[in-house]
Amino acid sequence: DAGVTQSPTHLIKTRGQQVTLRCSPKSGHDTVSWYQQALGQGPQFIFQYYEEEERQRGNFPDRFSGHQFPNYSSELNVNALLLGDSALYLCASSLGAGAQPQHFGDGTRLSIL
Amino acid sequence: AQSVSQHNHHVILSEAASLELGCNYSYGGTVNLFWYVQYPGQHLQLLLKYFSGDPLVKGIKGFEAEFIKSKFSFNLRKPSVQWSDTAEYFCAVGAGKSTFGDGTTLTVKP
Repeated sequence: DAGVTQSPTHLIKTRGQQVTLRCSPKSGHDTVSWYQQALGQGPQFIFQYYEEEERQRGNFPDRFSGHQFPNYSSELNVNALLLGDSALYLCASSLGAGAQPQHFGDGTRLSIL
Repeated sequence: AQSVSQHNHHVILSEAASLELGCNYSYGGTVNLFWYVQYPGQHLQLLLKYFSGDPLVKGIKGFEAEFIKSKFSFNLRKPSVQWSDTAEYFCAVGAGKSTFGDGTTLTVKP
């Protein structure tokens, strides 16, 4: 039974570029949450998707957007990248709207030059 | 706004020592509390959770946590740690839109 898978593992971008990160939830899960984890800090909630809609959002600017597909997989898009966007981006899956994250992926390490 | 404070950044213990990691929270709604663990080289995983009822909750691998409403605390405990408990531990509040603390790194010396 596959857990949460994220791609790519690592990514290097320059300021002003755009990036798309991908996540496949654990089999049987229908809800995907995205988190940003800066070095030495805990994960910060970006948003949660359920039934292909953004259900909850954290304190992140509109440059951060997402999408959920009918197969429950999800994408996180970040536009106009800033140096401060360098972080580990975690995807977590769960069952049901508003559910707490149950299973996390290994994350995508995004570095902005 | 909800927030979580983990008092200890790094804890070092010898095997068989008792463990208590502090967690204090502020939250305006129904309190849902969690502890997550991240073992070296592995992904975050849920250790235990509290929604309601018995304030003493038991999780995997012999961990437990006690919800004390009057102190806004949800401390993690284990009577006797093992070398394999070396990991980073995160406290979180709120289901769905979870707020995490900055984590406590636990090192257990054999």
